[in-house]
Amino acid sequence: ETGVTQSPTHLIKTRGQQVTLRCSSQSGHNTVSWYQQALGQGPQFIFQYYREEENGRGNFPPRFSGLQFPNYSSELNVNALELDDSALYLCASSRRDRETEAFFGQGTRLTVV
Amino acid sequence: KQEVTQIPAALSVPEGENLVLNCSFTDSAIYNLQWFRQDPGKGLTSLLLIQSSQREQTSGRLNASLDKSSGRSTLYIAASQPGDSATYLCAVRPAIQSNTGKLIFGQGTTLQVKP
Repeated sequence: ETGVTQSPTHLIKTRGQQVTLRCSSQSGHNTVSWYQQALGQGPQFIFQYYREEENGRGNFPPRFSGLQFPNYSSELNVNALELDDSALYLCASSRRDRETEAFFGQGTRLTVV
Repeated sequence: KQEVTQIPAALSVPEGENLVLNCSFTDSAIYNLQWFRQDPGKGLTSLLLIQSSQREQTSGRLNASLDKSSGRSTLYIAASQPGDSATYLCAVRPAIQSNTGKLIFGQGTTLQVKP
């Protein structure tokens, strides 16, 4: 077990709604990254947060946004949900240095109907 | 643009067999490479991390190698067991974006080990 926890584990939303997913990072880790994994695909990088600021972003529209809190936990917010947003959302925590290993949570399964 | 490919997409072997999973990447400018295991509908479990200066890492029955110049990594699983059945993902951390935490994943190899 990694110590990275995500909530909720499952979520069903209606198209057009907004959703907030939460992640608590592993003790001693100061960065949090978010990934989207569609069925049968590898995870795709959404963005990373360090010192409460976004630090790197993948190819995702602005309706995907996030926050990091002083205790290094993080939120992923998605506005104006689309059917294609249905996926497993994974959070990973790590230390800032480049050689660090990334540890993932168990994910949140989001279904948009 | 860095791309990561894993072959085969699926693999079925009898219990006890030794096997090799392959991962290739198009840009050799990586900081490290990480192998993960994913059980159906679950998160990722880190198996092995290889820094770009290393050639291989071992953990129990697992051995991962890295040949950065040829853009290849392999994950060797010895004496496979039914409990090894899962999807195995490799991911690279690009050197030019190493501070962003960005990992680029392959699509994974789904392994089934039959009793």
